[in-house]
Amino acid sequence: EPEVTQTPSHQVTQMGQEVILRCVPISNHLYFYWYRQILGQKVEFLVSFYNNEISEKSEIFDDQFSVERPDGSNFTLKIRSTKLEDSAMYFCALREALEPYNEQFFGPGTRLTVL
Amino acid sequence: AQSVAQPEDQVNVAEGNPLTVKCTYSVSGNPYLFWYVQYPNRGLQFLLKYITGDNLVKGSYGFEAEFNKSQTSFHLKKPSALVSDSALYFCAVRDDGTGAGSYQLTFGKGTKLSVIP
Repeated sequence: EPEVTQTPSHQVTQMGQEVILRCVPISNHLYFYWYRQILGQKVEFLVSFYNNEISEKSEIFDDQFSVERPDGSNFTLKIRSTKLEDSAMYFCALREALEPYNEQFFGPGTRLTVL
Repeated sequence: AQSVAQPEDQVNVAEGNPLTVKCTYSVSGNPYLFWYVQYPNRGLQFLLKYITGDNLVKGSYGFEAEFNKSQTSFHLKKPSALVSDSALYFCAVRDDGTGAGSYQLTFGKGTKLSVIP
C-alpha cells in the first residue's frame, strides 16, 4: 500500500486567514484528490488533480480553494480566507494508475479548526 | 449521479459473532464498489473492492463483501468479529465518469461498528 503523509496533522486558524494543507506521496501517482469530512458527517469529494491541472471539482470547491503541485512532489490545498464552516478533516488521496477501478489510498488527514 | 446508503448509524456485535455492515448503492453503468475503515484519529484504510467477477470479494483483516446486483447491495461481512474491528466503516462507489475520468469516490455516511468483549 502506498504511503501518504499529510502536514500539518492539526491546524488552528482564525477566520479569514489563509491556510495551506500539504500532501506528500511517497511513490509516483497519477491522480490526486482532496476530500473533507466535517465532524460526524460523511466524507465529501472536493477536487481531483491530474497532469498538473484540476480534473474535476465539486460545488464545495469554490473560488476560496485552490490546489497545486508546486515542486512535482507536494500536493497542496489552499484555502484563501477561511470560514467557520471550513472546520473539518481534510484527506488527501492518491490513485496509482490510469485504470479507473484502482483503489484510492488516503493520507491520515489534517484537522482544520477555524475559530 | 451516484449515491451510497448505509442504513445503520451503529452496529453492535459480540466478539466472536458474525458481523454485517449494510450498504446499498445507486449508480448508472457498472458499479465499482469499495469499503474503507477509519479508526479514531486516523485516515481511511482500504479494505476491499468489487470491480467484476465473483460476487464474494475477500479483503484485508478477514473481511469480505457480497455484491448483489439485483438488490444493489454490497454488504460487508466477517465470520467472527474481534474487539479490534471496532471502527467507522465507509462504503463508497466510484464515479461512473463524467468524461474527465477522475473517478472520485462517493461515500456513504458511515457505520460505527462496536464489538463488545
